[in-house]
Amino acid sequence: GQNIDQPTEMTATEGAIVQINCTYQTSGFNGLFWYQQHAGEAPTFLSYNVLDGLEEKGRFSSFLSRSKGYSYLLLKELQMKDSASYLCAPTTDSWGKFQFGAGTQVVVTP
Amino acid sequence: DAGVIQSPRHEVTEMGQEVTLRCKPISGHDYLFWYRQTMMRGLELLIYFNNNVPIDDSGMPEDRFSAKMPNASFSTLKIQPSEPRDSAVYFCASSFGTSYEQYFGPGTRLTVT
Repeated sequence: GQNIDQPTEMTATEGAIVQINCTYQTSGFNGLFWYQQHAGEAPTFLSYNVLDGLEEKGRFSSFLSRSKGYSYLLLKELQMKDSASYLCAPTTDSWGKFQFGAGTQVVVTP
Repeated sequence: DAGVIQSPRHEVTEMGQEVTLRCKPISGHDYLFWYRQTMMRGLELLIYFNNNVPIDDSGMPEDRFSAKMPNASFSTLKIQPSEPRDSAVYFCASSFGTSYEQYFGPGTRLTVT
């Protein structure tokens, strides 16, 4: 089976930085996705890491360490609209099938 | 492009009835995924297709669930007979290859009473 661990909830103020950690154990790993999901909406893609290191995309960055089974999503200059659930999803086989973590609910306060 | 299209958006049915959910993926995408999301279990992958062929259906809960993809632009997820525990939001997603982002449809909210 697969095991994905990420915090349930994090709270931060507007303009701050929040780091969401994700650890995983999967039987076949090719890469790791991060998705954002606002309440009542579908998930939307944020990032995909295949190699170790940091990928930066504007205010969002994602880091991967394959040897440690660890990733984080960094949200900078938080805005109220960033209040959402953030889902970590490592791939679990060579086909690219992946499994979503339970999600981290980020609450941004004024 | 219109994105991934799902229908219906909401479905309320009685236990024992057959339910069919429909999905039209983004044109040109070769992978199609069906997910189910509940508060208790989160977002679960039920089945996925590559070029209309089912690759992995290990997430399908039981024989009451079946999925088909008769062509590149249409897929169905059928539940027969439905049960109250099937109540969830069902998402369809498509992608071009597996190393690329999946685009999710708006979901179908299913309520089985």
